[in-house]
Amino acid sequence: KQEVTQIPAALSVPEGENLVLNCSFTDSAIYNLQWFRQDPGKGLTSLLLIQSSQREQTSGRLNASLDKSSGRSTLYIAASQPGDSATYLCAARYTGTASKLTFGTGTRLQVTL
Amino acid sequence: NAGVTQTPKFQVLKTGQSMTLQCAQDMNHNSMYWYRQDPGMGLRLIYYSASEGTTDKGEVPNGYNVSRLNKREFSLRLESAAPSQTSVYFCASTIQDRHGYTFGSGTRLTVV
Repeated sequence: KQEVTQIPAALSVPEGENLVLNCSFTDSAIYNLQWFRQDPGKGLTSLLLIQSSQREQTSGRLNASLDKSSGRSTLYIAASQPGDSATYLCAARYTGTASKLTFGTGTRLQVTL
Repeated sequence: NAGVTQTPKFQVLKTGQSMTLQCAQDMNHNSMYWYRQDPGMGLRLIYYSASEGTTDKGEVPNGYNVSRLNKREFSLRLESAAPSQTSVYFCASTIQDRHGYTFGSGTRLTVV
């Protein structure tokens, strides 16, 4: 069964700290992986999309990596700010699945002053 | 603004009532999806439409039906609402495999 896991479920860090969010997936037949941000009561905002042929993608203070062999993706947030507080979700798209996404349950991040 | 539009944003139903959640995208995407999000369970796929004219069941289809009205619109119908269908429902779309998903802002449904 194709599963996506995110640990920890919650994380609290002081402002300015660099941090890493983890995402693990069980099937190496991954097509791409997408990181989303979700604010309380809101929809999902796409942050980064990384294809299976890529090692990493960067957008501003965010950097996502993908390692198919180990079944892991990480989202690196540099110089965290209180505005980064949100839930971060990763979702894997596997080959041969009609583009369906399999989601992790998310990591709830709080950046404190 | 281009994107995925869902209506309504909030809805309260009584058990046994029916309703249709509407979703429309203006990005000329081929594939559209309905997910539900419940605390501690992440997002789970209800139904999807890989292309206009096709629909398929996802992980949790029981109690739901869908219609791909045209390329832009994909609706989700609850024929006889149950309290277990209390959830936040998200519609999403994508153009093809190499591209990412775009999500709507969600419909918060409560069944009492």
